[in-house]
Amino acid sequence: GAGVSQSPSNKVTEKGKDVELRCDPISGHTALYWYRQSLGQGLEFLIYFQGNSAPDKSGLPSDRFSAERTGGSVSTLTIQRTQQEDSAVYLCASSFSGKTEQYFGPGTRLTVT
Amino acid sequence: DQQVKQNSPSLSVQEGRISILNCDYTNSMFDYFLWYKKYPAEGPTFLISISSIKDKNEDGRFTVFLNKSAKHLSLHIVPSQPGDSAVYFCAASKNTGNQFYFGTGTSLTVIP
Repeated sequence: GAGVSQSPSNKVTEKGKDVELRCDPISGHTALYWYRQSLGQGLEFLIYFQGNSAPDKSGLPSDRFSAERTGGSVSTLTIQRTQQEDSAVYLCASSFSGKTEQYFGPGTRLTVT
Repeated sequence: DQQVKQNSPSLSVQEGRISILNCDYTNSMFDYFLWYKKYPAEGPTFLISISSIKDKNEDGRFTVFLNKSAKHLSLHIVPSQPGDSAVYFCAASKNTGNQFYFGTGTSLTVIP
């Protein structure tokens, strides 16, 4: 079946603009994660959705970052007033539940100029 | 604060030999560990996992060893193949939380 998909694959934006990144998880997966990988760093947890429960937002680096998941499926990560330090690859992953292996999308490479 | 560390950024191994990738962690609350493999321009793919109740898990050419007292785990690949060349990430989670903590990765090159 189809894997996790993300769009766009690449995004170049000017500092101060807002961006939206999209994630389509694997059908039937109830858990969805967003991560960020900056150059030379590991994957940094951002946010976790599990079914209809309140999301775990503890990894969001600032209030410029927000995410939603509509209908328990598609998720959108929004970054407002982008800064150069937001430049990174943003990865989405889904899993059957919160404690099983995750399936990752190909990522969105965000460049803030 | 990096709770999962992969201190070797790169490793080169001859085809057919054993590759050993290491990972250290600091949080004794971690109880579930995973290894992921990542090719360029792709997302990480799951390789193998281990629960803290075990000290070894094997899947084909891949074996993960867990030493809880040393807070250390390792991934053994034998025999190594050129297609194994990729970046390998270890990850850990706590039984009380939702987060997975990832290391910075080790780039493995298997030389034909």
